[in-house]
Amino acid sequence: SQQGEEDPQALSIQEGENATMNCSYKTSINNLQWYRQNSGRGLVHLILIRSNEREKHSGRLRVTLDTSKKSSSLLITASRAADTASYFCATGRNTGGFKTIFGAGTRLFVKA
Amino acid sequence: DVKVTQSSRYLVKRTGEKVFLECVQDMDHENMFWYRQDPGLGLRLIYFSYDVKMKEKGDIPEGYSVSREKKERFSLILESASTNQTSMYLCASRRDFSRSDYGYTFGSGTRLTVV
Repeated sequence: SQQGEEDPQALSIQEGENATMNCSYKTSINNLQWYRQNSGRGLVHLILIRSNEREKHSGRLRVTLDTSKKSSSLLITASRAADTASYFCATGRNTGGFKTIFGAGTRLFVKA
Repeated sequence: DVKVTQSSRYLVKRTGEKVFLECVQDMDHENMFWYRQDPGLGLRLIYFSYDVKMKEKGDIPEGYSVSREKKERFSLILESASTNQTSMYLCASRRDFSRSDYGYTFGSGTRLTVV
């Protein structure tokens, strides 16, 4: 089963609005990462938050991590049409070998 | 700007052909990975490599093999292509397996169609 599961599967908003995507996972983790994928392209690393961190910012991105609830959220503020993409969370665990598991992604569509 | 380069964006191959997907990184990263991405299934790990000449099976290695003769190059081989291997293939690299706090750098992907 998927370690990271994003919610919602798809999200459509107007330019200028904020977009929030959530990720839930099942087991303990060392870190959680968020990636963006434009249509038909590779993934781009956005931000990594460690298990002992609760919140992290990068430009218009804000990531929170709640290890007690095994969940994370990615907030994109003041969204732009160029933010239209799929967003994936990925959980990193050290289980004798370091493993990263990706979720199925949230498709974000920002209307101009 | 650091880069992972996949040799082809699009490939069309016939069933039974041997297919080579090439990936090169210029970041001196120790770790390299091959994933396939299918709608609704997310990214699934095929093979990875901690270092030169080392390889480990991922979650779905059947029908695939890999080669890493040089640190910068990691090749994925489909021994006998089948239609169920039609997919988007993504190569990625990462610094230093022993330290977990690094993200991946991905290539642009190769969309493979097997007919």
